[in-house]
This record gives sequence, C-alpha cells and structure tokens, in this order.
Amino acid sequence: SAVISQKPSRDICQRGTSLTIQCQVDSQVTMMFWYRQQPGQSLTLIATANQGSEATYESGFVIDKFPISRPNLTFSTLTVSNMSPEDSSIYLCSVEGGLAGAGDTQYFGPGTRLTVL
Amino acid sequence: AQSVAQPEDQVNVAEGNPLTVKCTYSVSGNPYLFWYVQYPNRGLQFLLKYITGDNLVKGSYGFEAEFNKSQTSFHLKKPSALVSDSALYFCAVRSASGGSYIPTFGRGTSLIVHP
Repeated sequence: SAVISQKPSRDICQRGTSLTIQCQVDSQVTMMFWYRQQPGQSLTLIATANQGSEATYESGFVIDKFPISRPNLTFSTLTVSNMSPEDSSIYLCSVEGGLAGAGDTQYFGPGTRLTVL
Repeated sequence: AQSVAQPEDQVNVAEGNPLTVKCTYSVSGNPYLFWYVQYPNRGLQFLLKYITGDNLVKGSYGFEAEFNKSQTSFHLKKPSALVSDSALYFCAVRSASGGSYIPTFGRGTSLIVHP
C-alpha cells in the first residue's frame, strides 16, 4: 500500500483567496485523484491527475477553479481558487496501484480540512 | 452506470455483539468491491476488497465481507464489535470488465458501538 501525506492538514481562509494543497506519495504512482467530501456527505471526485498530461475534470468542476499540477510520479497539488464558503470541505488526495496504473485499490491521504469564512 | 447503496445512515450496536453494515451495488459486468473506514478527522483507510474467488473476504481489524452476486450485495461484518470500531464506513464499486476504472462510493454509514 502507498503512504500519502497532505499539507496543510487544515486551514481557515478568507473569501476570495486561494489555497494550494500538496499531496506527496512515498512511491511512484501513475494515477492520482482529488476528491471533495462535504460535511456529512460521500466523496465526490474532482479530477484525475496523471503525470505528463493535463488533469481530467469531472462534471461540475473546472480547471480555472481547481487547477491541478502533477510534476512527477510522487507529487501533486490542487489549488482551490477564489474561494467562497461553499468550498468549505475536506479535500482528499488518492492514488491507485503503482506505475502500471492497473491496480484496483485506491489509497487515501489524511485529507485537508478547509474552512472558508 | 455504476452505483452503490448504503441503506442505513447509522448503525448502532453494543460492544461484543456482531455487526453488519449493508451495501448493495449496480455495475456492468463483474464487480470489484471495496470497504473503507474513516475515523474522525482522518482520511479513508482501506479495509478489504473483493476481486474474484471466495465470496467471503477477510480484511483488517477483524472485519469481513460477503459477496453475494444474486443479491448484488457486499455487506460488511464483524463477529464482535469494539467501541474503537465506531467510525464512518464507505462501500465502493467499480467494474472489473472495462468502463470507468474509478470507483463509485456510497454515501457512508456511521457505525456507533456502545460500551
């Protein structure tokens, strides 16, 4: 299994500002995912980030709002731009398998708890 | 399209009693099925998965799950609950035969184990 760390673990931000969340994995992985988990709700996939290509966004999420970087096989960032209180949520980084991308289990980071005032 | 239903928002059980957290699914072809647990202020931790083979899958912390193809279910079970098992449990499914490789998660079931 992969060990995943996220920074920051939590933050309180002002409306209109941006926050960049970092995700670091202890092994090389092909596929990384960013999820949002709003209070009392399930996980919603924001985007899939593969190294060397642009992120693929799910319906309802756009690059201007949630730009993602994937500079190498162990690291990714998600930026929440021009934040509003509706962006208050837990943001989770996840990886699947290893380099082959054919693994079938997703592993999750500890999450970043964001509160927007 | 694939989907997961966790019909219970909350399950209450006394410590030492058996517990069951229910999950049913819908997917094209054969399923890959997963259970995850989320403790307060933590990310999701992988518990167990069904890929193929024995219908009874054993996982971490004494949990097991039974795959029932005819009922399209994958209920999570534990013979004797602990207070420390209190957490949020998520079931997830993805198709084993193409389509989206991204799992669909259920809405979660809060398990409360009373001393």
